[in-house]
Amino acid sequence: DVKVTQSSRYLVKRTGEKVFLECVQDMDHENMFWYRQDPGLGLRLIYFSYDVKMKEKGDIPEGYSVSREKKERFSLILESASTNQTSMYLCASTPGQRHYEQYFGPGTRLTVT
Amino acid sequence: QKEVEQNSGPLSVPEGAIASLNCTYSDRGSQSFFWYRQYSGKSPELIMFIYSNGDKEDGRFTAQLNKASQYVSLLIRDSQPSDSATYLCAVESGGFKTIFGAGTRLFVKA
Repeated sequence: DVKVTQSSRYLVKRTGEKVFLECVQDMDHENMFWYRQDPGLGLRLIYFSYDVKMKEKGDIPEGYSVSREKKERFSLILESASTNQTSMYLCASTPGQRHYEQYFGPGTRLTVT
Repeated sequence: QKEVEQNSGPLSVPEGAIASLNCTYSDRGSQSFFWYRQYSGKSPELIMFIYSNGDKEDGRFTAQLNKASQYVSLLIRDSQPSDSATYLCAVESGGFKTIFGAGTRLFVKA
């Protein structure tokens, strides 16, 4: 079974702090994604990566950056956290040949106060 | 703006009944369609995918696709209380992207 893990289940940060969310997958998947999920809005893509050191903006990249130094690890960085970034953050990975069948991590509930 | 629309629900059905979940999408070029189940407080889990027009069955689940009408549905036969969850419709959008609907909450009454 694919296993996608995220560094924290719950996180509370203050406005202006730099926040790191980490995601690790153990199935040698090429593609990794970061989403945020908000009530009534569904899942929205922040960034994705299809290879090491490669990254592409999703639909809502503003205020975020990412890093993928190793194939199994994809980090989401909030450069200066704001209250409107309070959300559930979900990481997902997919194998290269079936890149639409997404396997999600457990999520990180981030609260910015 | 590519969109995936779902009725937010809740959809309430009695145990043993058929639950019918519907989804429409805006991008005529989409080729791959997915249903994810998300239990409260958990992350989405892929339960069905369909690429061709028609029906695809997997146990109690049937996915239906009509590309001409831009319509995808999920039928759950013999619904169980354990099926109570939010069901997310997802449509591939090209370039590694997937567009997710906001989900339909299903409640199966025992």
